[in-house]
Amino acid sequence: NAGVMQNPRHLVRRRGQEARLRCSPMKGHSHVYWYRQLPEEGLKFMVYLQKENIIDESGMPKERFSAEFPKEGPSILRIQQVVRGDSAAYFCASSLVDGYTFGSGTRLTVV
Amino acid sequence: GQQVMQIPQYQHVQEGEDFTTYCNSSTTLSNIQWYKQRPGGHPVFLIQLVKSGEVKKQKRLTFQFGEAKKNSSLHITATQTTDVGTYFCADRNDYKLSFGAGTTVTVRA
Repeated sequence: NAGVMQNPRHLVRRRGQEARLRCSPMKGHSHVYWYRQLPEEGLKFMVYLQKENIIDESGMPKERFSAEFPKEGPSILRIQQVVRGDSAAYFCASSLVDGYTFGSGTRLTVV
Repeated sequence: GQQVMQIPQYQHVQEGEDFTTYCNSSTTLSNIQWYKQRPGGHPVFLIQLVKSGEVKKQKRLTFQFGEAKKNSSLHITATQTTDVGTYFCADRNDYKLSFGAGTTVTVRA
């Protein structure tokens, strides 16, 4: 989706390494939403960010996960000391009047 | 959070046939949105239903919102191979989406 840009598309990390996922929202949007999709499941809300502000992180695991959206540059979802259970697709989105526009996602594989 | 259940989990359809996927909740849904995700792809917004009893159509797709706003359905007529994918319903409450687990559709040509 050309509107919401995510990179990388695929990311492989060994257990214990750090993963950094990047997201740029649609042009003119100053907020992003991160969702996680485990294999064969629906998406689960993680965090809602506006520039320089975390609005709602109620879906974020308490440990090892953090998110930021700086004044300049993309939003970053950071996972420290990854474990196999972190393997999933991570999507970010911009919201429109009705629906959400999702990026192409980052497929994280922990080996 | 809101628990949204979708049935069936898998739907195998002969090309040209119709099928329906259902979305249910034990509590009142705020707004229902439907998304389609192709294999290896990302969710793509299809439609939003807001009013009790609302019915909307998009070509071969018909979306309904129950009278009590506790269920929704997506009916596809004359299934085509391009309909392959996973269809998700999601309850939108303010800015947060609560997704069902989806119905994965495969089509036999």
